[in-house]
Amino acid sequence: QKEVEQNSGPLSVPEGAIASLNCTYSDRGSQSFFWYRQYSGKSPELIMFIYSNGDKEDGRFTAQLNKASQYVSLLIRDSQPSDSATYLCAGGHTGTASKLTFGTGTRLQVTL
Amino acid sequence: DAGVIQSPRHEVTEMGQEVTLRCKPISGHDYLFWYRQTMMRGLELLIYFNNNVPIDDSGMPEDRFSAKMPNASFSTLKIQPSEPRDSAVYFCASSLMPTGELFFGEGSRLTVL
Repeated sequence: QKEVEQNSGPLSVPEGAIASLNCTYSDRGSQSFFWYRQYSGKSPELIMFIYSNGDKEDGRFTAQLNKASQYVSLLIRDSQPSDSATYLCAGGHTGTASKLTFGTGTRLQVTL
Repeated sequence: DAGVIQSPRHEVTEMGQEVTLRCKPISGHDYLFWYRQTMMRGLELLIYFNNNVPIDDSGMPEDRFSAKMPNASFSTLKIQPSEPRDSAVYFCASSLMPTGELFFGEGSRLTVL
């Protein structure tokens, strides 16, 4: 079992809707969590990170962390076709946060 | 500022041949990472360096894989001999701090026949 689990999708949402991407992790030592976006054939790019329980908002993106449930999510409001990509969830430990464990990603399709 | 630069972008080779992948990190970034990405296993960390020193190579699959960082601006990942199961996209990434904010290169797609 991978330490970070994601539904591979595809998750299909209509333009303008809220996309909800979910991630669970098994390592309770993980303290920091990251969402990377990867367009087809391209490299991952960081879009959000969260260290504390609760919500963190950045523009149309909101990351949510629940350490008790070992659950991380990414909400994308007003989804656009340009948001169509694979979203990778990753977890890291305090002190060695660079050593990230990635999930296999969820593919998001935003339809017109 | 230029991003992380990897070469070659594509490599097709035959089983048993030596493969060398190259990476130039972002100037000033003290951390360099080599990841491998496949459909089945996703992104896996192979090895990472801090200030040119290998810190954790526990992800290197076997002795056929080796990585070096002779200076702050250059790293190589070598596979010798290569096998078909090594076919994947190999990403190099760098970061300024050990915070998980990684900057990835465009990747090297390796196909071993």
